[in-house]
Amino acid sequence: AQSVSQHNHHVILSEAASLELGCNYSYGGTVNLFWYVQYPGQHLQLLLKYFSGDPLVKGIKGFEAEFIKSKFSFNLRKPSVQWSDTAEYFCAPRSFTGTASKLTFGTGTRLQVTL
Amino acid sequence: GAGVSQSPRYKVTKRGQDVALRCDPISGHVSLYWYRQALGQGPEFLTYFNYEAQQDKSGLPNDRFSAERPEGSISTLTIQRTEQRDSAMYRCASSLYGNNEQFFGPGTRLTVL
Repeated sequence: AQSVSQHNHHVILSEAASLELGCNYSYGGTVNLFWYVQYPGQHLQLLLKYFSGDPLVKGIKGFEAEFIKSKFSFNLRKPSVQWSDTAEYFCAPRSFTGTASKLTFGTGTRLQVTL
Repeated sequence: GAGVSQSPRYKVTKRGQDVALRCDPISGHVSLYWYRQALGQGPEFLTYFNYEAQQDKSGLPNDRFSAERPEGSISTLTIQRTEQRDSAMYRCASSLYGNNEQFFGPGTRLTVL
């Protein structure tokens, strides 16, 4: 069964600091990888995704993530965070079984950016 | 509509009552998903439809939980004889097909007293 681990539960950063959030997953077969974000009072939104090809993917708002197959990792990065990046971030690998596909979410990382 | 909508946004019920949660997916989306999110956790998969067919219900915790999508559009998640442990945020998502990205609705916050 698919499992996913997000190592940081709560991260506090000052504006302009660099961010890296860790994500490791267990599934060894074909997997798509997603990062979702939930801003305060809003619903889950897609930040970026990896299906195949270039392992470095770029998403919205300056976020990027690198897929390292040998490490089963898909870490999220941003060189310089802003106060508006305060949100909860979820890593979600997706596995395929027959005609069904489902996301397995991590427990989430709450990011707090201070001015 | 423009996005996935869910109703009600908040539901408070007494233990033992039945509740029905509704999801209206993005128009034209074939696949519809239900997730449950407990406080401090990530969303947990419950069930999944392609058109009106329930493809996977392996995440439904027990037989008090059921879901349907009779016309391949709106879906209803029903919880019978609710218990306090059912309290959570229930999220619905839809995608064009099963291998596309999922778009989430605002969720229904269920509180069972």
